[in-house]
Amino acid sequence: GAVVSQHPSWVICKSGTSVKIECRSLDFQATTMFWYRQFPKQSLMLMATSNEGSKATYEQGVEKDKFLINHASLTLSTLTVTSAHPEDSSFYICSASRRGSNQPQHFGDGTRLSIL
Amino acid sequence: EDKVVQSPLSLVVHEGDTVTLNCSYEVTNFRSLLWYKQEKKAPTFLFMLTSSGIEKKSGRLSSILDKKELFSILNITATQTGDSAIYLCASWGGSNYKLTFGKGTLLTVNP
Repeated sequence: GAVVSQHPSWVICKSGTSVKIECRSLDFQATTMFWYRQFPKQSLMLMATSNEGSKATYEQGVEKDKFLINHASLTLSTLTVTSAHPEDSSFYICSASRRGSNQPQHFGDGTRLSIL
Repeated sequence: EDKVVQSPLSLVVHEGDTVTLNCSYEVTNFRSLLWYKQEKKAPTFLFMLTSSGIEKKSGRLSSILDKKELFSILNITATQTGDSAIYLCASWGGSNYKLTFGKGTLLTVNP
């Protein structure tokens, strides 16, 4: 149980393109979803927390106009990287919290984003 | 600001060796300490520790938490090449009950 699916797993696109990443909880309702970014050889950094039906809470230093988060349903959150540039190239990981789980969050497999 | 510090940052051992990975934390509203293994994809859950002094064990891996000293260790005995990965420690807590990750320990197990 507690499967989180993230799509796509890998994206390569040109600078200036906007990229949408989807995060779905497949077998549970996720009231809260989290988006992380991980640069090579670094740890996971929380970008934002999103609660279903309300605006996301962004961490300090993360541009909310650049990284648009939508959590329109209890099973789907999306992260859109708008007008992506090479410095946005990173590994983006979502997670979802499930009430009653023995873990605070269940992670998706991540999306590797490369901006040329 | 919540902080999680792991050591060492990298470690190279031979198959069969035993390793100990360290994690210290400073977190407000601490709830739990978690260990994850990360290979090429997203982290895989290993342990969640909430109580001090109670060892959690899964096969060759074990972990324990010291809430007085704000410290946890992850032990791996009889290491195998498949144990090569980044091991991440994370605290669960803070003002928004979020996960704060350490930088990880890169473990390389050579045959």
